[in-house]
Amino acid sequence: AQSVTQLGSHVSVSEGALVLLRCNYSSSVPPYLFWYVQYPNQGLQLLLKYTSAATLVKGINGFEAEFKKSETSFHLTKPSAHMSDAAEYFCAVSTSGTYKYIFGTGTRLKVLA
Amino acid sequence: DTEVTQTPKHLVMGMTNKKSLKCEQHMGHRAMYWYKQKAKKPPELMFVYSYEKLSINESVPSRFSPECPNSSLLNLHLHALQPEDSALYLCASSQGGRGLYNEQFFGPGTRLTVL
Repeated sequence: AQSVTQLGSHVSVSEGALVLLRCNYSSSVPPYLFWYVQYPNQGLQLLLKYTSAATLVKGINGFEAEFKKSETSFHLTKPSAHMSDAAEYFCAVSTSGTYKYIFGTGTRLKVLA
Repeated sequence: DTEVTQTPKHLVMGMTNKKSLKCEQHMGHRAMYWYKQKAKKPPELMFVYSYEKLSINESVPSRFSPECPNSSLLNLHLHALQPEDSALYLCASSQGGRGLYNEQFFGPGTRLTVL
């Protein structure tokens, strides 16, 4: 069975500071991992994805994530937070041969001026 | 065109009404999804259509009835809903097929309020 854990339902950072959003997964088979961002009353937008190629994945808006198999982690980072990064972030895991995503519970990022 | 569109953006309905949500994509995707999302929660999968056939039904009450008229369109017919059905309803699409992975592209959602 697969599962996703996002530590920290709320994260606050100052503008210009490092953003670190944590995602740990559990999967008995090689996973595909995704980070999505959701702004209020909008759909989910894909930030980046890991599909078993490079372990360091670069996404849109300056975000990146590193797949660490030994730690079963896929943490999302951004070197310098911007006010426009304030949103809800979801980590999701999937595997080959399935249509289902397993979503984490989400992390709300707040950026302080 | 890498967009999934949904109409209407907002919908208010009474418990005796019948309404429909619509979703459209022109990316040539063959899998389409309906999700329900309550406030401060992740999306919950409701239905998956693959090649216009219902592939997954996550034990959704029969007052929700999906329909996939063709590979680009997905509808969700609503009847006799309850106030607890109020939520953001998201449509998504992916390439389809059970190989590799299915990166899902999401629409903006329909905000449904049941009175």
